[in-house]
Amino acid sequence: DVKVTQSSRYLVKRTGEKVFLECVQDMDHENMFWYRQDPGLGLRLIYFSYDVKMKEKGDIPEGYSVSREKKERFSLILESASTNQTSMYLCASIPLGSGGEQFFGPGTRLTVL
Amino acid sequence: KQEVTQIPAALSVPEGENLVLNCSFTDSAIYNLQWFRQDPGKGLTSLLLIQSSQREQTSGRLNASLDKSSGRSTLYIAASQPGDSATYLCAAYAVDNAGNMLTFGGGTRLMVKP
Repeated sequence: DVKVTQSSRYLVKRTGEKVFLECVQDMDHENMFWYRQDPGLGLRLIYFSYDVKMKEKGDIPEGYSVSREKKERFSLILESASTNQTSMYLCASIPLGSGGEQFFGPGTRLTVL
Repeated sequence: KQEVTQIPAALSVPEGENLVLNCSFTDSAIYNLQWFRQDPGKGLTSLLLIQSSQREQTSGRLNASLDKSSGRSTLYIAASQPGDSATYLCAAYAVDNAGNMLTFGGGTRLMVKP
């Protein structure tokens, strides 16, 4: 059974803190993605990675960075958290190739106070 | 740039009704289209994936169709149940110049009343 896990379901941080969101997949997928989801704005792509140590900016990369040191793990980093980064963060993975199905993690609800 | 629209944004139906959710996309050069279900506060669960060469996919009471030429996909839910209440999202998968791969619609929030 395919599986994408995220390190935390709920997270509360203070403004200015450095925040790490971890995503792990056990499907040996090449491509991994980070989205944020906000009411009225839908899902927006932050960053994605198509291989180890490779990363590409999505639609809204400002204020975020990512790390992909191992194939199964894709980390989203908020260098200095701000209140406008309060959101639901969703990680996804997809195998190489154009016909791949995306699998999502359970999401992390981040609140920045 | 690909744009994906879902209509209606919200829908409330009595239990037992058959219903159709609509998804339209502006760029027909897609590799596939995927339908997801999302329960409140939860992640996305994949329901159906239609490859660009396919016209429909079925899983239980769900049937999804794809018409690339008109830029439309529909999700048909037969004999709806209260447990079907959730937000349904469609997403078109393609690679554009920016490298972005998946574009989501805004979702349809479905409520099935007992």
